[in-house]
Amino acid sequence: EPEVTQTPSHQVTQMGQEVILRCVPISNHLYFYWYRQILGQKVEFLVSFYNNEISEKSEIFDDQFSVERPDGSNFTLKIRSTKLEDSAMYFCASRRDSVMPQHFGDGTRLSIL
Amino acid sequence: DQQVKQNSPSLSVQEGRISILNCDYTNSMFDYFLWYKKYPAEGPTFLISISSIKDKNEDGRFTVFLNKSAKHLSLHIVPSQPGDSAVYFCAASAPGNYQLIWGAGTKLIIKP
Repeated sequence: EPEVTQTPSHQVTQMGQEVILRCVPISNHLYFYWYRQILGQKVEFLVSFYNNEISEKSEIFDDQFSVERPDGSNFTLKIRSTKLEDSAMYFCASRRDSVMPQHFGDGTRLSIL
Repeated sequence: DQQVKQNSPSLSVQEGRISILNCDYTNSMFDYFLWYKKYPAEGPTFLISISSIKDKNEDGRFTVFLNKSAKHLSLHIVPSQPGDSAVYFCAASAPGNYQLIWGAGTKLIIKP
């Protein structure tokens, strides 16, 4: 069964550094998402992406965050200047169309030191 | 933000019996509800969903019930199996919104 794949599985970065989290959504999917889960807290929506543009974003997704689909297969989340509070599991998800469920990758654990 | 609530942090059920996981919501605009299952070190896996135009959806051992007047949904797993031990998340979305709003999860433990 096709899967959403995320790399790396664990990223350790110094505070203030830029980090790029990578995702390969399922190949025929058109909608792409990033969520995060801080340890002990709920899963939180960050951003959705469709037709090469952001379709929705949360208050968390400020100017330090950006997303890109640089080619036909990758979907990336960039954090420009990481803060301690950015430490979390980051999940990428995709879905084929607006009525189908979202399918998730296994996440990237981001640790900011 | 408590739009989706799962009030039981954990639930323990004997193997072979029925597991019932509950979820409440406050936003009457939600029209689509999903259950996801999550094992440690893995991402959430989609289990089953229900649209607000239905009150029940069944898929094998899994059935989701929706009570719109009570703003309540439940997931029934019968019979429960050891592999069902995981954290179960309820999530919801509203028309025109792309994001899912998540509950805090319920850890289900199936005892042999």
